[in-house]
Amino acid sequence: EAQVTQNPRYLITVTGKKLTVTCSQNMNHEYMSWYRQDPGLGLRQIYYSMNVEVTDKGDVPEGYKVSRKEKRNFPLILESPSPNQTSLYFCASSPRTSGSYNEQFFGPGTRLTVL
Amino acid sequence: AQKVTQAQTEISVVEKEDVTLDCVYETRDTTYYLFWYKQPPSGELVFLIRRNSFDEQNEISGRYSWNFQKSTSSFNFTITASQVVDSAVYFCALSYATDSWGKFQFGAGTQVVVTP
Repeated sequence: EAQVTQNPRYLITVTGKKLTVTCSQNMNHEYMSWYRQDPGLGLRQIYYSMNVEVTDKGDVPEGYKVSRKEKRNFPLILESPSPNQTSLYFCASSPRTSGSYNEQFFGPGTRLTVL
Repeated sequence: AQKVTQAQTEISVVEKEDVTLDCVYETRDTTYYLFWYKQPPSGELVFLIRRNSFDEQNEISGRYSWNFQKSTSSFNFTITASQVVDSAVYFCALSYATDSWGKFQFGAGTQVVVTP
């Protein structure tokens, strides 16, 4: 089944304890992206990747890191989480074609709570 | 500035009523894409439609229709004869190429509540 998977789905952690949220897609998509969803703010883009080894900042990259070593994986790293990073996180992928954007396929979301 | 505004926070309707969701966007680019996504109570995000900036044709898909007007920078979404299953948060989104292809702006979303 074509899908984007995220792990873990739920995570409660404490301030300063490094964590990684994994994202994997099995559709051979070039484009991947991370978003956070907060009430009243919609989805805000954290980082995106146009292809392997190519990543760029979205609107809210502070406090996050990403890497794209393989096409299928795009982990989100919080080196020192803080309570303001408590949020619902979505990973997405898209079969971008040159000069055009197709729909994004979203993962199921990861609900993160930082105490 | 690149921006998407969904001014309606919540819309409540009774089943079978029509509901229109507004989306106003700002972009410096002449080439851009607009999207609508649905987020039902279960939480997943479901793609509904994509429209590029050169295609101003309105579109109808079943009970859903979209009205794209570049003159007013709007991409509105109408659900005709609403059903309880339409209850969800709906997001409008913009992708653009000023800096690079890859950036997306989402609106804050509109919660639609359909009661029987």
